[in-house]
Amino acid sequence: AQTVTQSQPEMSVQEAETVTLSCTYDTSESDYYLFWYKQPPSRQMILVIRQEAYKQQNATENRFSVNFQKAAKSFSLKISDSQLGDAAMYFCAYRSRTGTASKLTFGTGTRLQVTL
Amino acid sequence: SAVISQKPSRDICQRGTSLTIQCQVDSQVTMMFWYRQQPGQSLTLIATANQGSEATYESGFVIDKFPISRPNLTFSTLTVSNMSPEDSSIYLCSVKRTSGSRGTGELFFGEGSRLTVL
Repeated sequence: AQTVTQSQPEMSVQEAETVTLSCTYDTSESDYYLFWYKQPPSRQMILVIRQEAYKQQNATENRFSVNFQKAAKSFSLKISDSQLGDAAMYFCAYRSRTGTASKLTFGTGTRLQVTL
Repeated sequence: SAVISQKPSRDICQRGTSLTIQCQVDSQVTMMFWYRQQPGQSLTLIATANQGSEATYESGFVIDKFPISRPNLTFSTLTVSNMSPEDSSIYLCSVKRTSGSRGTGELFFGEGSRLTVL
């Protein structure tokens, strides 16, 4: 079974600064997706960024980018120019691409605080 | 993306009662998922709701406690039966689109239903 580990329960960053959230995972599969979801106090899970394992290039979405290290099974999220609206819980998630399994396996989350 | 509406948004329930949560999607979807998020915890998959067949439950979750209906490709319900305070959680509906996903793989989530059991 796949597992996802987020070792940072809480992180803090000053507005306009850069922060990196860590995620490692364990799988025996070679083809899968990795995601970062954001959950603000409103509770809705919002997709921040996705990475397909077969792509060597790291995904980027505006101020959000990932450092995907497949051999190390590491998938960190970098938030540049942090904004107050980035404050939320961030969950790393794994999904297999094989078979019919579409469920996401989530990490335990990292609470990000953004300070002035 | 997909627009997912959940009802109720929140509720306070008495021990021993049951509550049904509804999930409505703005388009047809193959697979719908029900997740539980206990206070301060991550999300745990309860079951996958398949249209026209029985739901598939994850280890630790049973149909008697969490019966699920999936009458069509846009709607599902999750019932939390015989509730206890340990069932106090956020319950989230999630979907994977049948088409137009371009193989992107992500799931979309509703806003969740926060249940408090007294």
